[in-house]
Amino acid sequence: ETGVTQTPRHLVMGMTNKKSLKCEQHLGHNAMYWYKQSAKKPLELMFVYSLEERVENNSVPSRFSPECPNSSHLFLHLHTLQPEDSALYLCASSQGRLAASHNEQFFGPGTRLTVL
Amino acid sequence: GQQLNQSPQSMFIQEGEDVSMNCTSSSIFNTWLWYKQDPGEGPVLLIALYKAGELTSNGRLTAQFGITRKDSFLNISASIPSDVGIYFCAGLSGGGGSQGNLIFGKGTKLSVKP
Repeated sequence: ETGVTQTPRHLVMGMTNKKSLKCEQHLGHNAMYWYKQSAKKPLELMFVYSLEERVENNSVPSRFSPECPNSSHLFLHLHTLQPEDSALYLCASSQGRLAASHNEQFFGPGTRLTVL
Repeated sequence: GQQLNQSPQSMFIQEGEDVSMNCTSSSIFNTWLWYKQDPGEGPVLLIALYKAGELTSNGRLTAQFGITRKDSFLNISASIPSDVGIYFCAGLSGGGGSQGNLIFGKGTKLSVKP
């Protein structure tokens, strides 16, 4: 495997379900990100992890819970979601924190989430 | 908050034509990035710009970092069917060890008539 991988690629869940999204990066990067992509809206940054420490949480509801057990893996735990949470959830990684020059982000293919 | 205005929202062009899209903002950015997203995939970085006035090419793609640091454009020359997709601009502010703030435009959807 190369680059950034995400599983599952598609997920349908009810509002009472608990599920998790998984991201793995094979690039040796030390920063990882969760984004939400909804139709007709810009990409929304949700969480940033740098060296396994959460450094940013952009006012995301508590029904989204991230976990970064090591620098290669990032999870997004989901519980009691709402239909408006349906979107494409993208994971990305970079070498170093975002503000430094040339720290470009590499994105995974995303998980298409549908909440019924 | 910071916002990027990306235009046009969508465009249909004839194969072989040149394409131009741009992003503008009232805020200053230190870095401009251009991504392409194919259906069912995540965005892929096309071009990164780090200096005001910088003009950078990647094959048939050319992008420029505006002198005012508030805008950027992307040109695609001699478009082909595989250019279809959504193109996003992104501006990065901050620096000097801070996390910075990466803001994305809403995207330009490109469709090519064969």
